[in-house]
Amino acid sequence: RKEVEQDPGPFNVPEGATVAFNCTYSNSASQSFFWYRQDCRKEPKLLMSVYSSGNEDGRFTAQLNRASQYISLLIRDSKLSDSATYLCVVWNNNDMRFGAGTRLTVKP
Amino acid sequence: NAGVTQTPKFQVLKTGQSMTLQCAQDMNHNSMYWYRQDPGMGLRLIYYSASEGTTDKGEVPNGYNVSRLNKREFSLRLESAAPSQTSVYFCASSEVGLAGSNEQFFGPGTRLTVL
Repeated sequence: RKEVEQDPGPFNVPEGATVAFNCTYSNSASQSFFWYRQDCRKEPKLLMSVYSSGNEDGRFTAQLNRASQYISLLIRDSKLSDSATYLCVVWNNNDMRFGAGTRLTVKP
Repeated sequence: NAGVTQTPKFQVLKTGQSMTLQCAQDMNHNSMYWYRQDPGMGLRLIYYSASEGTTDKGEVPNGYNVSRLNKREFSLRLESAAPSQTSVYFCASSEVGLAGSNEQFFGPGTRLTVL
């Protein structure tokens, strides 16, 4: 079993749609959680950290459920520029574990 | 600031050849990392350096060596390249010690093909 699992997608949604990505992790001792965004043939970049209380950044909302070892990312009012692969990342003591990513395509 | 830079951007090797991938960061970060990214696998940590003078193995270290030359530079060496090492290699850096803020900054990647 992979340490971090994501639905690979692809998710194809129209502009303006709301889309949610899920991620599960296996190491209950994991300390920090992140969502990264990776555009095609580019490097990953931090989208947002995920806090226990949940957090929001504009159209993006991240949630963490430690009991179920589950992380989610919700994107509201999707834009064409949101098309990318979204990587779920779990951190434990200098060991970053990446999910394989969920690919999102937003269409006009 | 250039952030994290990597050279070369592309490389083709024959099986058995050696090469060194270079990485440098200008953000005064303590920690640096080398990852490989393969389709369907996500990024996997090869080696990391928590601070200047220290290096540690990650998830997939076999076939690689690293050198933390100074605080800015962290190189990855393939002594005898194998086709299984065909991948995209990313270098990253981060400022360790800030609680809940282990953002990693990535370089643009090196696309390596081993024939």
